[in-house]
Amino acid sequence: DSGVTQTPKHLITATGQRVTLRCSPRSGDLSVYWYQQSLDQGLQFLIQYYNGEERAKGNILERFSAQQFPDLHSELNLSSLELGDSALYFCASSVGAGGTYNEQFFGPGTRLTVL
Amino acid sequence: AQSVTQLDSQVPVFEEAPVELRCNYSSSVSVYLFWYVQYPNQGLQLLLKYLSGSTLVKGINGFEAEFNKSQTSFHLRKPSVHISDTAEYFCAVGGGSQGNLIFGKGTKLSVKP
Repeated sequence: DSGVTQTPKHLITATGQRVTLRCSPRSGDLSVYWYQQSLDQGLQFLIQYYNGEERAKGNILERFSAQQFPDLHSELNLSSLELGDSALYFCASSVGAGGTYNEQFFGPGTRLTVL
Repeated sequence: AQSVTQLDSQVPVFEEAPVELRCNYSSSVSVYLFWYVQYPNQGLQLLLKYLSGSTLVKGINGFEAEFNKSQTSFHLRKPSVHISDTAEYFCAVGGGSQGNLIFGKGTKLSVKP
């Protein structure tokens, strides 16, 4: 158990819908990272928040957004869903923001299926 | 920019045989290198990491990896695999100005009895 929790574990929805994925980091970690794992793209970095502020952006679509709340949990919002958004979404957390090494601890993931 | 190439998408091997999973990286800055393992229907677990110092790093479950700067490689090895090592293994690079990791496409290790 990494200490990072993600809910829900599974999510099945239809095209055009909007969903919210939730992540709670390890106690004491200030950074939250979101990654998408799909068959064709592999594991891709989406976005990072550090202590409530957006820190870095990766290959995140405009239809996707995220935020980190004062209690440091984070939510990833996916809207106007397409079939290609079906993937495993991982959250990871670390103590620091980057630049120097901060070990990332991964949650169990949320499997999103868009029908 | 950083990138990671895992040269084999699938590696079948018999139980108790040695295995090497290959990883090459590209980076214009000093790097930190990682191997993660993903068991079926589970999240990512850190196997080992190279930050600095000795180029041979030992991890959990009997795995080790060697950092080779001249060849920009970080291959993962285990002298004798078990059925329970069947999983997907990801090589990753970090250490850029951002805190995120860049992952390779993964190598599926299949250990047969």
